[in-house]
Amino acid sequence: DIQMTQSPSTLSASVGDRVTITCRASRSIHTYLNWYQQKPGQAPNLLIYAAASLQSGVPSRFSGSGSGTDFILTISSLQPEDFATYFCQQSSSTPPTFGQGTNVEIK
Amino acid sequence: EVQLVQSGPEVKKPGESLRISCKGSGYTFTNYWISWVRQMPGKGLEWMGRHDPIDSYTNYSPTFEGHITISTDKSISTAYLQWSRLNASDTAIYYCARRIRGATNWYFDLWGRGTLVTVSS
Repeated sequence: DIQMTQSPSTLSASVGDRVTITCRASRSIHTYLNWYQQKPGQAPNLLIYAAASLQSGVPSRFSGSGSGTDFILTISSLQPEDFATYFCQQSSSTPPTFGQGTNVEIK
Repeated sequence: EVQLVQSGPEVKKPGESLRISCKGSGYTFTNYWISWVRQMPGKGLEWMGRHDPIDSYTNYSPTFEGHITISTDKSISTAYLQWSRLNASDTAIYYCARRIRGATNWYFDLWGRGTLVTVSS
C-alpha cells in the first residue's frame, strides 16, 4: 500500500494567514492526489483533485500543487469557515489511502 | 438534489449482524462506483472497498476482506455495507462515497453524511 504522510498534524493560524499543508507519498503517484476538508460532525468535502484542479464551488483561496511524491495544499487567506481538518488521498493504486489529517485550529 | 442518504445510527452487541445503507438520488446511480470509508473515533479515513452497481464487481481492502460485504441494489439506487459478526473495534462512523466509473484520475466527489455504528456489550 502507498503510505501518505501529512505535515504538520496540527497547525495554529489566524484569520487572514497564508497556510500550507504538505502531503508526501511513499512512492510516486504522479498527480493522482486529492484534498478534502472535514469539519466536526460532517462528511469530508472534496477541495482539490488531480493535485491542482479546484472542485466546482470551492473558493479560489484554495490551491494545490505538486507531482510525484510531494504535494502542497495552500489556503491563501484563511477564513473563519476554514478551521477544519484536511486530508490528502492518493488514487494512483488500490487500496486508495489517506493521509492522517492536518487539523487547522484558531491561534 | 444530488445526494447520498445514509441510514441512521446503530447500537449493536458484539457478535450481532448489521447492514447499513446508502441511497443515491439526483444522478444516474450506475455511472458511479460506491465506496465505503471508515472513520474510527477521533481518527483518520480508511477505505474499506468499492462496488460497481453494473457488474457487481467488488474490491476490498485487505484490512477488511472477509469481515464485511459490500453490495448494491441498482433498482433502488442503494448500496449496502454488511457485517455478519460485529466486534467492539467496528465502532466507527461509516461513510459512503461515489467515484466515477472507470476513470483513471478519480476522486470522491460526493459523500453521505455518515452512519455511526456503536458496538458495545
